[in-house]
Amino acid sequence: SQTIHQWPATLVQPVGSPLSLECTVEGTSNPNLYWYRQAAGRGLQLLFYSVGIGQISSEVPQNLSASRPQDRQFILSSKKLLLSDSGFYLCAWSAWTGNSPLHFGNGTRLTVT
Amino acid sequence: DQQVKQNSPSLSVQEGRISILNCDYTNSMFDYFLWYKKYPAEGPTFLISISSIKDKNEDGRFTVFLNKSAKHLSLHIVPSQPGDSAVYFCAAGIGNKLVFGAGTILRVKS
Repeated sequence: SQTIHQWPATLVQPVGSPLSLECTVEGTSNPNLYWYRQAAGRGLQLLFYSVGIGQISSEVPQNLSASRPQDRQFILSSKKLLLSDSGFYLCAWSAWTGNSPLHFGNGTRLTVT
Repeated sequence: DQQVKQNSPSLSVQEGRISILNCDYTNSMFDYFLWYKKYPAEGPTFLISISSIKDKNEDGRFTVFLNKSAKHLSLHIVPSQPGDSAVYFCAAGIGNKLVFGAGTILRVKS
């Protein structure tokens, strides 16, 4: 069966520090991969998605970037964190076929101080 | 611009009764719709989906209804159980992307 791993579960970082969140998927090949952020009262906002290695689509302009160095690995990064980057970050995968549901990891609670 | 809206921030229901969660959308190009359940500090869990060519899909206690002319979908939970207490998100999809609503907190009282 397919599983998704996301770490760390919680993270406290000072303003201006770098960020690297990692997500890996097991049990499937060529998945679509996603980074979402949950903000209070605004649901889940799509940040990035990827349909293949090195292919990244950005949905909103922001202080973050994403990379997919391997088929089942997705990384969310920042060179310098802002206070506004605090939030709950979720990685998800879906099958490469259309109209497939997303399956989420357990999320990372990021607090920028 | 919120393409997917859940206008009720919260809903409280007695155990054993029906829970009805509602969702409206604005983009007629969405071709599939999903409901997710989320507990605190966890990722959302997929519950049920429906294609735009259908108007109803049922899975155990969960039924999703789609009214395309009204751009409205709903999730019915019958009977409601205390373990159903969670945040419920509706989502609408085009191709590889899902757009989520803001969520509705469901509380099932025993």
